[in-house]
Amino acid sequence: DIVMTQTPLSLSVTPGQPASISCKSSQSLLHSDGKTYLYWYLQKPGQSPQLLIYEVSNRFSGVPDRFSGSGSGTDFTLKISRVEAEDVGVYYCMQSIQLLYTFGQGTKLEIK
Amino acid sequence: QVQLQESGPGLVKPSQTLSLTCTVSGGSISSGSYYWSWIRQPAGKGLEWIGRIYTSGSTNYNPSLKSRVTISVDTSKNQFSLKLSSVTAADTAVYYCARERLNSRHPDYWGQGTLVTVSS
Repeated sequence: DIVMTQTPLSLSVTPGQPASISCKSSQSLLHSDGKTYLYWYLQKPGQSPQLLIYEVSNRFSGVPDRFSGSGSGTDFTLKISRVEAEDVGVYYCMQSIQLLYTFGQGTKLEIK
Repeated sequence: QVQLQESGPGLVKPSQTLSLTCTVSGGSISSGSYYWSWIRQPAGKGLEWIGRIYTSGSTNYNPSLKSRVTISVDTSKNQFSLKLSSVTAADTAVYYCARERLNSRHPDYWGQGTLVTVSS
């Protein structure tokens, strides 16, 4: 199984300030088809996970442009340029280069 | 916009079979454009992919659960289902159903989730 490791596990951010979450995979997520199968989800309190970013850096429909994803191979980053109160929740990275999709442990974002 | 809704018993006894149904609205489950998936989340823990089914009935399962899991689809009711046999307390979790666009390799829309507790 591919292990996904996120850091930090929690962060507290002042509104308007940036935030960054790292996700490292135990194997490269670059497929022979040229795609990198790395995704980011946000689980707001009491809700189901919602897709933010697909294939490393593509924002899903309706996702604000303050969210951005980057990285390659085994190292990936989700950045929020200016955190807003509605961004609180747990952020998960997920890989799907193997059919057994696996998720990171989650990073809890709180507002100061 | 597609909506998914899980339903089923919230309490299951140990060694019995957990059965959940996901009802899809806002689109046809037999369109041929999607996989239909189950994912679970134990309380306070992370997400675990259980498996998925295509409209044709073709399935893929998490190897760690494969011997106990069955996912099926009922196109006449626009539903798909999860059965997990021989449950233990470790199977207590919120269970989500989700949609995965063909060739996308990721769930895009999820149901709200349903809590299943395994206890006598």
